[in-house]
Amino acid sequence: DGGITQSPKYLFRKEGQNVTLSCEQNLNHDAMYWYRQDPGQGLRLIYYSQIVNDFQKGDIAEGYSVSREKKESFPLTVTSAQKNPTAFYLCATRDGSSTDTQYFGPGTRLTVL
Amino acid sequence: KQEVTQIPAALSVPEGENLVLNCSFTDSAIYNLQWFRQDPGKGLTSLLLIQSSQREQTSGRLNASLDKSSGRSTLYIAASQPGDSATYLCAVKGPDSSASKIIFGSGTRLSIRP
Repeated sequence: DGGITQSPKYLFRKEGQNVTLSCEQNLNHDAMYWYRQDPGQGLRLIYYSQIVNDFQKGDIAEGYSVSREKKESFPLTVTSAQKNPTAFYLCATRDGSSTDTQYFGPGTRLTVL
Repeated sequence: KQEVTQIPAALSVPEGENLVLNCSFTDSAIYNLQWFRQDPGKGLTSLLLIQSSQREQTSGRLNASLDKSSGRSTLYIAASQPGDSATYLCAVKGPDSSASKIIFGSGTRLSIRP
């Protein structure tokens, strides 16, 4: 898991509620990512940020929002507009050096009740 | 549009065997390819990263190869152990260093039988 923390580990949401997933890193990496993983599937990109105060939509951004006010933090809000939010959410960083490796947090499992 | 495929979706082998996991991609213009391991309910752990200019990378019992022209990569695991049981995912990035999108395969779930 390296220097990336995600909280909470498990999250339960009632329909119609917004919830925010936390992602914090102490790796001093500029780029941060949010992915969604459904059972038996690969990771799908929700949002990414290459630098503070800047972020771009990924392939499945509808119903999600993010902010990047600090280099260390990239919170993801799952809004009530997301029709099927139950999934495993993974936050990642990229070191941007010549190795260009991605590092992942431990994930948050969100369940809609 | 880049697509990454991993076949088979699941693989079970007896302990001690050498094995190969496969990853194929449709667009050969990649910047790098990375292999990850994921244990159930956990995040991903990077195993090996191969730059587009490289043909292979090795770490312990693991060896990853890259053939850009054919759009394939393999992850070779020598002398498999029960602790190797996990899902293995490959991901490609490209085509240049500024491109931030990384496309993942759906993974191969590996089970090593004692």
